[in-house]
Amino acid sequence: DTGVSQDPRHKITKRGQNVTFRCDPISEHNRLYWYRQTLGQGPEFLTYFQNEAQLEKSRLLSDRFSAERPKGSFSTLEIQRTEQGDSAMYLCASSLQASGIGELFFGEGSRLTVL
Amino acid sequence: RKEVEQDPGPFNVPEGATVAFNCTYSNSASQSFFWYRQDCRKEPKLLMSVYSSGNEDGRFTAQLNRASQYISLLIRDSKLSDSATYLCVVNSGGSYIPTFGRGTSLIVHP
Repeated sequence: DTGVSQDPRHKITKRGQNVTFRCDPISEHNRLYWYRQTLGQGPEFLTYFQNEAQLEKSRLLSDRFSAERPKGSFSTLEIQRTEQGDSAMYLCASSLQASGIGELFFGEGSRLTVL
Repeated sequence: RKEVEQDPGPFNVPEGATVAFNCTYSNSASQSFFWYRQDCRKEPKLLMSVYSSGNEDGRFTAQLNRASQYISLLIRDSKLSDSATYLCVVNSGGSYIPTFGRGTSLIVHP
């Protein structure tokens, strides 16, 4: 399968624990996006990378959220000291685009439940 | 005001009906527009891009109205399989950030 893959698909954790999600984009794609989606809402932008550079991170929901893409390939999204309000689907998408916005290819998402 | 606004619906239509959705955007500098489809518990997938001149793909027609800052999606001859949430996507101003609306739910019934 050469699509976007995310791991884990489901994560249940207790409040206060740290969680990390991994995204492997389509191999030749230079851009990688993280979104959060809750029930009845559209995906909410969190951050994105062009190759290894994180070009926008001001919309990360709080300083408990951080993301990396160390070698311009896979990316991780970490949430520290999780809260119940962090429960959501975390979606990763990649695209190949020199300028403008191209088609986003999404992974199946990582669903987080914070107890 | 949200950057991208959509009526969440649901739009409940019989098979064969024609249905139209609108999406308004707030930033006049936006230049890229798309419609995505999201099935229940699945990831969003690109349905079609929206060009200034409008575009058509089979039963689906998308149009852009820059003066009034909205895009539209028209679905003709609705099929049961068209039941899904339709997400409007606009780039945030002149950036490379795709901003999603909350989606419009379509239910096509026999």
